[in-house]
Amino acid sequence: DSGVTQTPKHLITATGQRVTLRCSPRSGDLSVYWYQQSLDQGLQFLIQYYNGEERAKGNILERFSAQQFPDLHSELNLSSLELGDSALYFCASSDGTATFPTGELFFGEGSRLTVL
Amino acid sequence: TQLLEQSPQFLSIQEGENLTVYCNSSSVFSSLQWYRQEPGEGPVLLVTVVTGGEVKKLKRLTFQFGDARKDSSLHITAAQPGDTGLYLCAGARGGTSYGKLTFGQGTILTVHP
Repeated sequence: DSGVTQTPKHLITATGQRVTLRCSPRSGDLSVYWYQQSLDQGLQFLIQYYNGEERAKGNILERFSAQQFPDLHSELNLSSLELGDSALYFCASSDGTATFPTGELFFGEGSRLTVL
Repeated sequence: TQLLEQSPQFLSIQEGENLTVYCNSSSVFSSLQWYRQEPGEGPVLLVTVVTGGEVKKLKRLTFQFGDARKDSSLHITAAQPGDTGLYLCAGARGGTSYGKLTFGQGTILTVHP
């Protein structure tokens, strides 16, 4: 158990819909990262938040947005869903203060999104 | 875009055999990490290598970072069925966004009893 909690574990929805994925980081961790894992693209970095502020951005689509709340949990919002958005979405956390570059990311179990 | 190419993509071996997984890039990374992922779970960090030429050992697993910090390898000695899983290498850049990792496509390892 990594200590990172993601909900829901599975989600099935239709094209054009909007979903929200939730992540609770490990206790005390200030940084939250979102990754997308698909068969053809592998594991891709989407976005990072540190203590409520956006810190780094990857290949995140404009239809996707995220935020980190004062209690440090984070939500990833996916809108106007397309078939190609079907994937595993992982949240990871770190304390954000670990000395680079040996910091460790702790991954949740992921949310599997299926768009029909 | 910094890409990490892993090979082989699939590896199916018998218990007791040795194996090596390679991770190559045309770009330099500040550090390289190896993760293991099992079905239904997220990746779990195995090791971080930082210095060019560095070798780290974790029981039967040996990790090496290339001298130019562009490539890495994972060697498993006397593989066991419990080693079965998806192995991922991930490169990190510098600064505060060290969590912005570039992952390889992964190597699916199956060790048969």
